[in-house]
Amino acid sequence: DQQVKQNSPSLSVQEGRISILNCDYTNSMFDYFLWYKKYPAEGPTFLISISSIKDKNEDGRFTVFLNKSAKHLSLHIVPSQPGDSAVYFCAAGGGGTSYGKLTFGQGTILTVHP
Amino acid sequence: EAGVVQSPRYKIIEKKQPVAFWCNPISGHNTLYWYRQNLGQGPELLIRYENEEAVDDSQLPKDRFSAERLKGVDSTLKIQPAELGDSAVYLCASSWVAAGELFFGEGSRLTVL
Repeated sequence: DQQVKQNSPSLSVQEGRISILNCDYTNSMFDYFLWYKKYPAEGPTFLISISSIKDKNEDGRFTVFLNKSAKHLSLHIVPSQPGDSAVYFCAAGGGGTSYGKLTFGQGTILTVHP
Repeated sequence: EAGVVQSPRYKIIEKKQPVAFWCNPISGHNTLYWYRQNLGQGPELLIRYENEEAVDDSQLPKDRFSAERLKGVDSTLKIQPAELGDSAVYLCASSWVAAGELFFGEGSRLTVL
């Protein structure tokens, strides 16, 4: 049972353009969401998060949007830079059986071309 | 401030052999997690500790996997005996509180031949 899904295994974007990474979830008990970035041979590093009481959170070039009714969140990177090339994971946490742990999606490989 | 430290970074063993991974979390972090990441997948929780107590080990294959967190600081994850399907990256993470941002180590990549 995949509670958090990232349906696009990969995304290729030109430098300077917008990157949009998508994530869907099924568990209505999730009430906070995070995006992690992972470079090869490194552990995931936290990028940005959003609580379910918000629909948008912005941090520099990174913006996360949450659509609770659709159980969908997205990460926008504007403008994209070659250094953004990495694997991006969305993760969700919340109450009930999800308390105290993060459930991750499968990841999307982002490649930003110069 | 030092991050989460894991060792070894890489381990190659033959099936049926034992293996152990060690994790030192960020100082002051009471919650410690072991995740497993298979190739092309996201991390999956194996076990979560609050101080020295394992509060969620429902995904830990208890027939061959064991973990401990002595004195509520460092933790060890052991596999005995290892199987081919155990090949993965084992990630340790820690956090201030249970429902918060996780800080990950660099992971221990296990290859079982």
